[in-house]
Amino acid sequence: EVQLVESGGGLVQPGGSLRLSCAASGFTFSSFWMHWVRQAPGKGLVWVSRIIGDGTTTDYADSVKGRFTISRDNAKNTLFLQMNSLRPEDTAVYYCARVKHGWYYFDYWGQGTPVTVSS
Amino acid sequence: DIQMTQSPSSLSASVGDRVTITCRASQSISTNLNWYQQKPGKAPKVLIYSASSLESGVPSRFRGSGSGTDFTLTISSLQPEDFATYYCQKTYTPPWTFGQGTKVEIK
Repeated sequence: EVQLVESGGGLVQPGGSLRLSCAASGFTFSSFWMHWVRQAPGKGLVWVSRIIGDGTTTDYADSVKGRFTISRDNAKNTLFLQMNSLRPEDTAVYYCARVKHGWYYFDYWGQGTPVTVSS
Repeated sequence: DIQMTQSPSSLSASVGDRVTITCRASQSISTNLNWYQQKPGKAPKVLIYSASSLESGVPSRFRGSGSGTDFTLTISSLQPEDFATYYCQKTYTPPWTFGQGTKVEIK
């Protein structure tokens, strides 16, 4: 059974850092592109970042470029999102999502981890 | 970047109604368009991928159509479990932008 389990969220002050993790199981992690998507309270879905299977290509939304870094450890079946210089507008639930192999859509999502940026 | 605009932002409908949600891209995206359903407190779930392909296990009352810049999600006969928020998403080249969502509420 495919499972994606996020962790690492919490309360952080503006300017602070957090590292989110997404533990994957039930599939060959290194074969799949992975993404992060966030959702601010009461708002819509916002694409954040993506990384291809071998980790050599990454992309970011303009709103997080230069502050967030996506990475993966294929030996540990884990996806990461390092978030630096956090702002109140980064407050959201962060989801990791798997891209269906050979296609361009998310077929599995984690349950989300909440991040609150506030003093 | 390509912008995705959904309409309406919300609608009220009754069980059994036919519901249509539209999504417009600011430039052509071919058929690189997906539709997701999200219920409160839950992760989204894919309904339609590549504009018109029904994901396995999704009821056939959901139908997607369109190409280029204009896309439509149609629910042929709304069921109680369909009351949710629906999002379109453009893909292929990043950013994989979502529309702002359409909330389908009970009339």
